[in-house]
Amino acid sequence: SQQGEEDPQALSIQEGENATMNCSYKTSINNLQWYRQNSGRGLVHLILIRSNEREKHSGRLRVTLDTSKKSSSLLITASRAADTASYFCATDSSGNTPLVFGKGTRLSVIA
Amino acid sequence: DTAVSQTPKYLVTQMGNDKSIKCEQNLGHDTMYWYKQDSKKFLKIMFSYNNKELIINETVPNRFSPKSPDKAHLNLHINSLELGDSAVYFCASSQDQNEQFFGPGTRLTVL
Repeated sequence: SQQGEEDPQALSIQEGENATMNCSYKTSINNLQWYRQNSGRGLVHLILIRSNEREKHSGRLRVTLDTSKKSSSLLITASRAADTASYFCATDSSGNTPLVFGKGTRLSVIA
Repeated sequence: DTAVSQTPKYLVTQMGNDKSIKCEQNLGHDTMYWYKQDSKKFLKIMFSYNNKELIINETVPNRFSPKSPDKAHLNLHINSLELGDSAVYFCASSQDQNEQFFGPGTRLTVL
């Protein structure tokens, strides 16, 4: 069953602007991960945040996690045309439970 | 060096045929996965193998049979292909419950 729901479904911004994508999930999680998928390619892991963490940074990426609201956000600062892709959140509950992906946010960065 | 590779990249076949997709990872990971991504980009886990043993089998028709000859390979065999099997199939690998590394995908079209 689907766990994560990204919001918005699609986002179009100008180069240099910040992009914020949100993910909500339904049940308790162990980890939450964000992935990027360029058109016609496989998914690439961006960042993993554990359930006991609230914020994580990686380069121009900032991820927050609010377990009380069962939500996470991915912020991409100073966006570039190369950031154009679909972004997915994925959660796992514990142990050997599978990653459950949301439907993704399609980000378009216009040069 | 390609970390997770899949062959073929494209597969076009008639309904009723049997086909296989191969996956290999050179990362030394213990766990491998097969995902199906439909036309709406929804990514769903199909199978997961850990050290050649099946650990996750989601509700997938038994026409789909994964085979893991060793922990670096996880092949997917599909019998009696149906129109609804048309999708992009991704192989992935991981160590423990950390980030997953995805292959480039196999686009299957059933006519």
